[in-house]
Amino acid sequence: QQPVQSPQAVILREGEDAVINCSSSKALYSVHWYRQKHGEAPVFLMILLKGGEQKGHEKISASFNEKKQQSSLYLTASQLSYSGTYFCGTDPSGTYKYIFGTGTRLKVLA
Amino acid sequence: NAGVTQTPKFRVLKTGQSMTLLCAQDMNHEYMYWYRQDPGMGLRLIHYSVGEGTTAKGEVPDGYNVSRLKKQNFLLGLESAAPSQTSVYFCASSGTGFSNQPQHFGDGTRLSIL
Repeated sequence: QQPVQSPQAVILREGEDAVINCSSSKALYSVHWYRQKHGEAPVFLMILLKGGEQKGHEKISASFNEKKQQSSLYLTASQLSYSGTYFCGTDPSGTYKYIFGTGTRLKVLA
Repeated sequence: NAGVTQTPKFRVLKTGQSMTLLCAQDMNHEYMYWYRQDPGMGLRLIHYSVGEGTTAKGEVPDGYNVSRLKKQNFLLGLESAAPSQTSVYFCASSGTGFSNQPQHFGDGTRLSIL
C-alpha cells in the first residue's frame, strides 16, 4: 500500500516554511525523498536510514520516526526553485519493491 | 556524463502493437528499475533488476516484460499494447539496494496508446 503524504498540495510565499509528511502502514527501514518538476524526472533529495537522519540538500532537512512509521520533510525559507511535487519512497519489505508516496504538490510564489 | 538515458522520449502506438523501451546507464550501477507514472498515482514499480541477467516483478508487472542482458541496459517490452498502458515511463538505477543509495532517473518516455 502506498505511503500517504500530507498535505496533498501547498502554496507558499518566498521565505516561508513548509512541512511535508509521509506515513506508512508498514514498518519503514529507510525513506527516500525526491522532488519532481513538471515534465521532468524525479531528483533525489535525501535518504533517512533507520536509527539516524541525514540532511542532504540546500535548506531542506528531514526526520524519521520509526515507531510512528512516519517521515517529515522540512523546507525552510522556501525559494521559487523549491516548487514541484515531492515524493517519499520506501522499501517496506526489504526486497527492493520500492513504493512511492502519493506526492505533495508545492508551489512557491514570489 | 549522461547518467540514465531513455529512448524514445515520445511514442504513439495503436492497440495491439508491440514496442521496446530502452534504458541505458553509464554509472556502472548494479540495480535498475522501471516505473510508470500516472496522474495522481505517483510512481509505481513495474519490474526491476539487481544485476546483469536478473529480473524480478514489481508492483504492476502485468502486460510488460523486461530483459537485462548487459549491465548497462534494461529493456522494457510491451507485447500487445493496451490503452491502459498509456503513461509516462521512467527508468532508474542505483549503485546498490534501496536503503542507502539514491535512485537516478532518466528523463522519461511518454507513451500513448490509441
